Amino acid sequence: DADVTQTPRNRITKTGKRIMLECSQTKGHDRMYWYRQDPGLGLRLIYYSFDVKDINKGEISDGYSVSRQAQAKFSLSLESAIPNQTALYFCATGGLAGPQFFGPGTRLTVL
Amino acid sequence: AQKITQTQPGMFVQEKEAVTLDCTYDTSDPSYGLFWYKQPSSGEMIFLIYQGSYDQQNATEGRYSLNFQKARKSANLVISASQLGDSAMYFCAMRELNDYKLSFGAGTTVTVRA
Repeated sequence: DADVTQTPRNRITKTGKRIMLECSQTKGHDRMYWYRQDPGLGLRLIYYSFDVKDINKGEISDGYSVSRQAQAKFSLSLESAIPNQTALYFCATGGLAGPQFFGPGTRLTVL
Repeated sequence: AQKITQTQPGMFVQEKEAVTLDCTYDTSDPSYGLFWYKQPSSGEMIFLIYQGSYDQQNATEGRYSLNFQKARKSANLVISASQLGDSAMYFCAMRELNDYKLSFGAGTTVTVRA
């Protein structure tokens, strides 16, 4: 089984709809992250969490919210989706040092 | 300021040959880590190799090696004996010890030709 899983893998939605992307990990890491990837812009950090009670905004948090339900679960919500939130979304997990490990990604299209 | 620079948008390499992907970085923190990730067309981000700023030797993982030149702030990835499955986008990334996030370069697309 994959160490970091994301659901759904693909989603098409309409402007104004609420969307939740979910992430689970079995690597036992405390730190979890949400990134988005746009063509030509690389990955940008949306939110990060160092433990269940510690949630922080990243570079591009406007229009997004998160919830850390447990050490292993970190969800990302778009309260009212807009077309420029169309992107590939990644959840990642990691320790204090060393690499971050990414989930398979969620392709989100907002019409 | 751009922390990671990858100057090669795309490269072609013949199967079984080696290819070097360039990466330069910018930091004033003496403690940092450098990473390479592979992103195939299916979209997932796959961790390849890690180099710590205090590591004396270049990191190697199978056919991947990292040519770390600290004074030049360079962390090039070398893929030896290229295979068709190596065709993908490759990202260089850095994390300073006291930072919370990875900073990614723009990526290099590698196409392996049979």
